[in-house]
Amino acid sequence: KNQVEQSPQSLIILEGKNCTLQCNYTVSPFSNLRWYKQDTGRGPVSLTIMTFSENTKSNGRYTATLDADTKQSSLHITASQLSDSASYICVVSTGGGNKLTFGTGTQLKVEL
Amino acid sequence: NAGVTQTPKFQVLKTGQSMTLQCAQDMNHEYMSWYRQDPGMGLRLIHYSVGAGITDQGEVPNGYNVSRSTTEDFPLRLLSAAPSQTSVYFCASSYSGQPNEKLFFGSGTQLSVL
Repeated sequence: KNQVEQSPQSLIILEGKNCTLQCNYTVSPFSNLRWYKQDTGRGPVSLTIMTFSENTKSNGRYTATLDADTKQSSLHITASQLSDSASYICVVSTGGGNKLTFGTGTQLKVEL
Repeated sequence: NAGVTQTPKFQVLKTGQSMTLQCAQDMNHEYMSWYRQDPGMGLRLIHYSVGAGITDQGEVPNGYNVSRSTTEDFPLRLLSAAPSQTSVYFCASSYSGQPNEKLFFGSGTQLSVL
């Protein structure tokens, strides 16, 4: 069964600090890995999409890495801001838009 | 740019009632889909469509119907609501549903079935 596991489940950091969120997956065949940000009461918003051949991708202060051999990905947030408080969801695709396996998310809270 | 618009934002139903969740996109996307999000679980695909007149079932289709008469609209119908359908529902779209396309989500409908 395809699975995506994220850790930690929740995280609290101080504004300005960096943090790293983890994603492990057992999905086959692999097409791409995505990270989404979901603000409370809103829909997920795409941060990055990485294919098998990409091992790092950045979007502003967000940097995602992918190790396809160990089936692990991480999302690094640099110089966190209060607006980074959200749930971050890892999603692995085995094909087209109807073949996505979603993780349960890491709930990040950034405090003053 | 409106993107993906969902209505209503909140809804309370009694068991056995029917209703339609509306979803519209203005990006001329061929691929549209419905997900439900439950506490402690990842989003799960209910139904999807790769173009007007074409729909197919996802992972959890029971109790839901869809149709796609236009490119823009993809309504989700609950025929006889059950408490197990209490959830947050998201509509999403992409250009054609190909593997590396970005998926755009609406802001969700929070549904409670009593």
